[in-house]
Amino acid sequence: DAKTTQPNSMESNEEEPVHLPCNHSTISGTDYIHWYRQLPSQGPEYVIHGLTSNVNNRMASLAIAEDRKSSTLILHRATLRDAAVYYCSANDMRFGAGTRLTVKP
Amino acid sequence: EPEVTQTPSHQVTQMGQEVILRCVPISNHLYFYWYRQILGQKVEFLVSFYNNEISEKSEIFDDQFSVERPDGSNFTLKIRSTKLEDSAMYFCASSKTGGPNTEAFFGQGTRLTVV
Repeated sequence: DAKTTQPNSMESNEEEPVHLPCNHSTISGTDYIHWYRQLPSQGPEYVIHGLTSNVNNRMASLAIAEDRKSSTLILHRATLRDAAVYYCSANDMRFGAGTRLTVKP
Repeated sequence: EPEVTQTPSHQVTQMGQEVILRCVPISNHLYFYWYRQILGQKVEFLVSFYNNEISEKSEIFDDQFSVERPDGSNFTLKIRSTKLEDSAMYFCASSKTGGPNTEAFFGQGTRLTVV
């Protein structure tokens, strides 16, 4: 299983972009990169996933490095509701330790 | 919007007792998962289930755990003889197609407290 490394925590100001990094240097060629988030007192929630190309959806963008050893989840304008633990996964449905994002008003 | 539902939301049980956690996945989904989250820790994969069989399980999912899809709608996790360290939030998830190129939907969890 590809191991992921994320910063323990990050802070952002409301309405500013946030770039959440993830390293997955042991990723294999067929492993998708998934991002989920967990809002306080809730179950995890799907954010986005991709294989090689950058991906966009209504929640976020995913930028994948050319060598696929790292990726970045981009929240274009952070809101208070985006405060959560963000999990990056580079294998099938297993999560790393996650990054706790704090959004300041 | 369809959602995964879990019951009960909170269960308290005595050490050594059997407990069954219940989940109703989204109706047209075929792949099912259980996770646990010990207080303050990360979400840990337990098991995935497809076509009435376990697809994959983690080292946490030992002989004390079992899963079942007893009918067309429910998906259950049984812990045979609970230990104090089984106290955690347990999340059920389902996905339509399984595999890496898919998204999973999670329930709100069952908080299990073993006393």
